[in-house]
Formats: sequence, structure tokens, C-alpha cells
Amino acid sequence: LAKTTQPISMDSYEGQEVNITCSHNNIATNDYITWYQQFPSQGPRFIIQGYKTKVTNEVASLFIPADRKSSTLSLPRVSLSDTAVYYCLVGDLLMDSSYKLIFGSGTRLLVRP
Amino acid sequence: NAGVTQTPKFQVLKTGQSMTLQCAQDMNHNSMYWYRQDPGMGLRLIYYSASEGTTDKGEVPNGYNVSRLNKREFSLRLESAAPSQTSVYFCASSETGVPTGELFFGEGSRLTVL
Repeated sequence: LAKTTQPISMDSYEGQEVNITCSHNNIATNDYITWYQQFPSQGPRFIIQGYKTKVTNEVASLFIPADRKSSTLSLPRVSLSDTAVYYCLVGDLLMDSSYKLIFGSGTRLLVRP
Repeated sequence: NAGVTQTPKFQVLKTGQSMTLQCAQDMNHNSMYWYRQDPGMGLRLIYYSASEGTTDKGEVPNGYNVSRLNKREFSLRLESAAPSQTSVYFCASSETGVPTGELFFGEGSRLTVL
């Protein structure tokens, strides 16, 4: 079961770029890397997912090096509303084709004015 | 679409009481999950159901039972509630066979066991 390690917390200021790195040394060949965002009193929300190299969508970029043992979530020009907990997940695609996702403790991002 | 709907949103129990948390999704997803989240902590997987008719244990299954009633519904039962089960419970669903692993979460059910 692949596990992930992330920083417990990070601070930033509005308008800055934030990079959150996650390590997943035991990632399996068929595992994808997924990032979720969670606001207080809400369920997590999907941000971005990737397998290798770089993925970009309207809210974030995900950088994955060739060995896939780590990944970096990049949030451009953060605002106060980006204050949340960010989870990096590596999914286990099981024999029955289900996807078992284990959450770690996440990174608490605080964006200051 | 409502997505994933959980009931009740809040519940207070006394130690030893039983209750069932209900979850329904309208996205025609095959897989469904129950997680718990303790204050200041990440989510922990309790049980999951890869498809209708199957259920499997997650990280912390002790003290819980589940039923995949049909493709839409996945319930979580506490037979004899304990204070250690005070938590926020999240239900989620996802596609099966699609290696994207995107989970869609409900709003959570806050359970307090006195």
C-alpha cells in the first residue's frame, strides 16, 4: 500500500505561488497521483490528477518527475480562499478494478493578506 | 444532480446505542466509500464497496458494519456506539475501472457519542 508524506503546514501570502511537495516512494506502476482540497466542515474536493510529467488545469499544476517518487502541487497566485488542507493521494487499483484511496494527514495551507 | 447525499447531518448518541448513517449517490457510480475524520486529522477509510453486492474493510473497520443496499445506496451502521466513534463521517463514490480515482464526497455526518 503506497503511502504519502507531506509537510504538515505551510504559510503564504496572497498573490504568491505555493508549491506543496509530496513523497510517495513506494508508488506502483499503475498508480495515479491525485490531490484533494478540503475546507473546514466540507468533504474533500478533487483538484488535479496525474501519472507523469506535468498536468495543468484551471486551478493548479502538478509536476511529477520521471521516477514518480514525488509530486509537487503548484497553486499560482493564491488568495485567502485557498486556505485549506491539501491531501496528496496515491491510489491502489485493486484486482476487482475498484480504487482504494487512503488519505494521509494533509498539508494545512494558510494564506495571509 | 444532488451528487452524494448523507443523512443525518448531525446525530448525538449515548454510549451503547446503535444507529445507521445513510448515503446515496445519483451519479451511477459503482464504487462507494465510508471515511471518518477526527478533529484536526486526515480521513481514514472505514469500509468500501467496489460494486453492488461487495464490501471490503478499510483501515479502521472495527465497530462498524456496512450494507450496499443497491447501486445507489451504501449505509454504515454502528451497533454499539462508543465515545471513540465521535467523528465526522464522509461518504464518497467513484467510477470503477477508470484509473482516475476521483472521489465525490458528501457533506458529512457529524456524530457525537456521549
